[in-house]
Amino acid sequence: GAVVSQHPSWVICKSGTSVKIECRSLDFQATTMFWYRQFPKQSLMLMATSNEGSKATYEQGVEKDKFLINHASLTLSTLTVTSAHPEDSSFYICSARVAEGMNTEAFFGQGTRLTVV
Amino acid sequence: AQTVTQSQPEMSVQEAETVTLSCTYDTSESNYYLFWYKQPPSRQMILVIRQEAYKQQNATENRFSVNFQKAAKSFSLKISDSQLGDTAMYFCAFMRSGAQKLVFGQGTRLTINP
Repeated sequence: GAVVSQHPSWVICKSGTSVKIECRSLDFQATTMFWYRQFPKQSLMLMATSNEGSKATYEQGVEKDKFLINHASLTLSTLTVTSAHPEDSSFYICSARVAEGMNTEAFFGQGTRLTVV
Repeated sequence: AQTVTQSQPEMSVQEAETVTLSCTYDTSESNYYLFWYKQPPSRQMILVIRQEAYKQQNATENRFSVNFQKAAKSFSLKISDSQLGDTAMYFCAFMRSGAQKLVFGQGTRLTINP
């Protein structure tokens, strides 16, 4: 299957700083990428949908100024957590869709564990 | 809005047994896709199996098969000859045809015991 690479796998940052997470589709072009947040032992919560070359669409309740998403190319989307606070500590997962004909499969990155201290 | 419900938070079976995970969904759409994803301890989401709603035949992938009951809006996953490596969280997911977003269920934590 297609490969989605997420970097870093884990990061620790100080409260008040910003941290950037990258999501790359390695062997396909992804016009659409998705960012999820997952709390321990819970399901994936969609934060935003990122379309290449346009502004991201955020889900209700997600602060767009805090979680900046950029999708500048067909293989790269970034999520920047600005002015991070301990409550932003979580597991963040990106995914990208391969859209070829009727193929609607989504592939996921390995996730990033963010700890804000 | 579509909702996906997994009513079994946790399940545990012995190795080599067969286990069935339940999933129900609510939608007014007629064209859609259903998925089962596996999330092992590594946290990497892996697609297990996919079903197109317009197909009457149940999808099968080796030891994994589904029982898709469109009228009942039910989409259960059967794992045959379970293996230790099947231990993971399993998420059922729905996607409307033509849409981009996946709607996930709450997940079922499956443990395969030796």
